[in-house]
Amino acid sequence: AQSVTQLDSQVPVFEEAPVELRCNYSSSVSVYLFWYVQYPNQGLQLLLKYLSGSTLVKGINGFEAEFNKSQTSFHLRKPSVHISDTAEYFCAVSDSVQAGANNLFFGTGTRLTVIP
Amino acid sequence: EAQVTQNPRYLITVTGKKLTVTCSQNMNHEYMSWYRQDPGLGLRQIYYSMNVEVTDKGDVPEGYKVSRKEKRNFPLILESPSPNQTSLYFCASSVRTGASGNSPLHFGNGTRLTVT
Repeated sequence: AQSVTQLDSQVPVFEEAPVELRCNYSSSVSVYLFWYVQYPNQGLQLLLKYLSGSTLVKGINGFEAEFNKSQTSFHLRKPSVHISDTAEYFCAVSDSVQAGANNLFFGTGTRLTVIP
Repeated sequence: EAQVTQNPRYLITVTGKKLTVTCSQNMNHEYMSWYRQDPGLGLRQIYYSMNVEVTDKGDVPEGYKVSRKEKRNFPLILESPSPNQTSLYFCASSVRTGASGNSPLHFGNGTRLTVT
């Protein structure tokens, strides 16, 4: 079984500052990794995903994440945040081996608040 | 427009009164899933469906039922709601994947349920 740990429940950061949201996972098999964003009163949207290949993955809105297999991490970063990045961010993992790898296991979320 | 539509957006009910939350997608997706979101717990999967007439339990199925009679619809049924089912519910869908894991989940905007 897979599990995901998001180490920070809340991250306040000033506008135009860099941010890193941390995510660690555990799994006995190879995994796919995802970051989703949830804006207020909305569903979740895919930010980026790691399936294979390059460990640095670029997503929408200037976000990127790096897959580190040895540290079982998939931290999300942005070099300069905007007010509009205020949202809740979820890291998720799925099993890459099992056929029909749709079921995602989500972390508990990190609320990013960008301060003007 | 490709979307997942949940109804209602808000629902207040009393203990024991049966209710149904509807979910419909217009993307011809095989896979559909229900999650509940609770503070500090992230998203937890309730039930999922790989295709018509194929449903399976997620992590927290107790007190819920689902059906998948048609590809586009995946209603969530609470036969006898209790206060601990007060939560924010999300329906999601995707193309059924094999080992590629390329298909992201598309989420509805959520249904906030309060059971008194």
